[in-house]
Amino acid sequence: GNSVTQMEGPVTLSEEAFLTINCTYTATGYPSLFWYVQYPGEGLQLLLKATKADDKGSNKGFEATYRKETTSFHLEKGSVQVSDSAVYFCALSVWGINDMRFGAGTRLTVKP
Amino acid sequence: DTAVSQTPKYLVTQMGNDKSIKCEQNLGHDTMYWYKQDSKKFLKIMFSYNNKELIINETVPNRFSPKSPDKAHLNLHINSLELGDSAVYFCASSQGTAGEHTDTQYFGPGTRLTVL
Repeated sequence: GNSVTQMEGPVTLSEEAFLTINCTYTATGYPSLFWYVQYPGEGLQLLLKATKADDKGSNKGFEATYRKETTSFHLEKGSVQVSDSAVYFCALSVWGINDMRFGAGTRLTVKP
Repeated sequence: DTAVSQTPKYLVTQMGNDKSIKCEQNLGHDTMYWYKQDSKKFLKIMFSYNNKELIINETVPNRFSPKSPDKAHLNLHINSLELGDSAVYFCASSQGTAGEHTDTQYFGPGTRLTVL
């Protein structure tokens, strides 16, 4: 089946540290991959996405590259800020199936 | 202008009661969803509707019944509420049509349901 596995949290970093949140996927067909972010008390917002192999999604300093050979879509940011504190979800959708699968979420806390 | 809105934002009720959560999207999307997020933040799809027709119905108790009066609205009615129903419920929508590539989903702010 289609599924996403992301690194368990919580992750605590100091401001300006480098961030990596790992995400790997299993899919039949050709998935699109997403990162969503959920700030405290809010709904999920799309952070970035990639729709085919080797695509790089980027937004607000975050990046993730669709790696078909390693079935991965790791989220990175070079210098995190306190305002990046949130829960991050990796997700996939597969062509022809109107159903998005989410990872378990990774809570990030950035301390000043 | 709120793209996906839900009401109420908070809902506190007694066990055994019946309650409804409403969702509206003004994005002109064809597909709407209900998700349940538990206390550990795990997000699980419950239902998906495309143009008022049910296309996904995960293993959800019969006490949960979605209703879509038109493609801009997808309401969730819950009968005989139980303690385990306490969670945050999110509505979402996407442009994608069943059989085509799923597009980005846009989420509402969530409804926090507490069953006492």
